Amino acid sequence: DAGVTQSPTHLIKTRGQHVTLRCSPISGHKSVSWYQQVLGQGPQFIFQYYEKEERGRGNFPDRFSARQFPNYSSELNVNALLLGDSALYLCASSFRPGLAGGMAYEQYFGPGTRLTVT
Amino acid sequence: AQKVTQAQTEISVVEKEDVTLDCVYETRDTTYYLFWYKQPPSGELVFLIRRNSFDEQNEISGRYSWNFQKSTSSFNFTITASQVVDSAVYFCALSEADQAGTALIFGKGTTLSVSS
Repeated sequence: DAGVTQSPTHLIKTRGQHVTLRCSPISGHKSVSWYQQVLGQGPQFIFQYYEKEERGRGNFPDRFSARQFPNYSSELNVNALLLGDSALYLCASSFRPGLAGGMAYEQYFGPGTRLTVT
Repeated sequence: AQKVTQAQTEISVVEKEDVTLDCVYETRDTTYYLFWYKQPPSGELVFLIRRNSFDEQNEISGRYSWNFQKSTSSFNFTITASQVVDSAVYFCALSEADQAGTALIFGKGTTLSVSS
């Protein structure tokens, strides 16, 4: 079975531009989460979506937005790019979010999109 | 507030040495989950283990073992007889039970270098 896929692999943008990153979850997984990983740091949570609804949001400005489609794929959009947005953007999928039934559903990560803002 | 601390920034060992990666966490919840992920140079985070707060049994999987101690809020990871392929950045992460979602809070990671 295919794992989590993300596109594009690499991206170079200029300050002030807009970017859209895409993610396809593992087949059967209905939840997608987005994380930002700046060089030398651990990933930071941006959003989590389940059944097309936002289930969680991290401490990121409104320039960051996301959505989930009926096929459970997701897009992360970042407007008015800043130099500080340069990072590896990771998408993770899980069967569902939350800790229902005492189970924390593991999040499986994709290879990431490396965004460079110049 | 929840927090994960990985005090070791970098560790270098020679093949076949045992190595322990430390993880200390902070949370106000009584129900929470702890994770370890491996990030090789390719960048993809690889899930290694999940542990819930009610299960303090140590776990062993091949050369990997995990020691969870609630009394010291630690969830340490030991690699026995390390190999060059173990070279990677290792992240410890925490997820709390009272969140509608399951955001993972990561530590800053420990870079492990295993030389032959």
